[in-house]
Amino acid sequence: DVKVTQSSRYLVKRTGEKVFLECVQDMDHENMFWYRQDPGLGLRLIYFSYDVKMKEKGDIPEGYSVSREKKERFSLILESASTNQTSMYLCASTTTKGFNYGYTFGSGTRLTVV
Amino acid sequence: SNSVKQTGQITVSEGASVTMNCTYTSTGYPTLFWYVEYPSKPLQLLQRETMENSKNFGGGNIKDKNSPIVKYSVQVSDSAVYYCLLGDQPCLGGSQGNLIFGKGTKLSVKP
Repeated sequence: DVKVTQSSRYLVKRTGEKVFLECVQDMDHENMFWYRQDPGLGLRLIYFSYDVKMKEKGDIPEGYSVSREKKERFSLILESASTNQTSMYLCASTTTKGFNYGYTFGSGTRLTVV
Repeated sequence: SNSVKQTGQITVSEGASVTMNCTYTSTGYPTLFWYVEYPSKPLQLLQRETMENSKNFGGGNIKDKNSPIVKYSVQVSDSAVYYCLLGDQPCLGGSQGNLIFGKGTKLSVKP
């Protein structure tokens, strides 16, 4: 019954590497989101997308980019990973047919940059 | 502007009732969601309060309104982080708006 799938549960990458975090949803949702979750800071929005090939910056987009070539897939890209990007990354999706239905979340990817 | 505030941490004993507050400010038509995060599990939706449920029609300029979640007779297994999420739409029935998380309340239940 998996609905939002994040490709990796744990990742360890080196400083300067290009990192791809993948997210796939099978609910035909229009909207997809990437958050990072840090102790004491809660969830902060990095990027979101309302449609294929569309993207909008969230609250903390610096150092990240995204790609949405297909409706079901939303990728988060760290162009040159840094240690301050060590965090838990959460993907979520929601439908525009009822903005007030809330998110469905993935299980998260815990990224460590060394 | 929109905002959401939550108490950082609550510790109670098993069997107690606990109220976790979510104080929000809305400039449009708000929907409040409560999510729970258990260790190593995805965030799960607990409840949703829409404008209709709260009988708070009219919209706009709601300041520091509290929309708490109450758990009765809590167990150790209820220990988790509880997040409040504000969905704020500029107009009813639209497909756009802001989604704003609180920083979460960590509930610890002692045996």
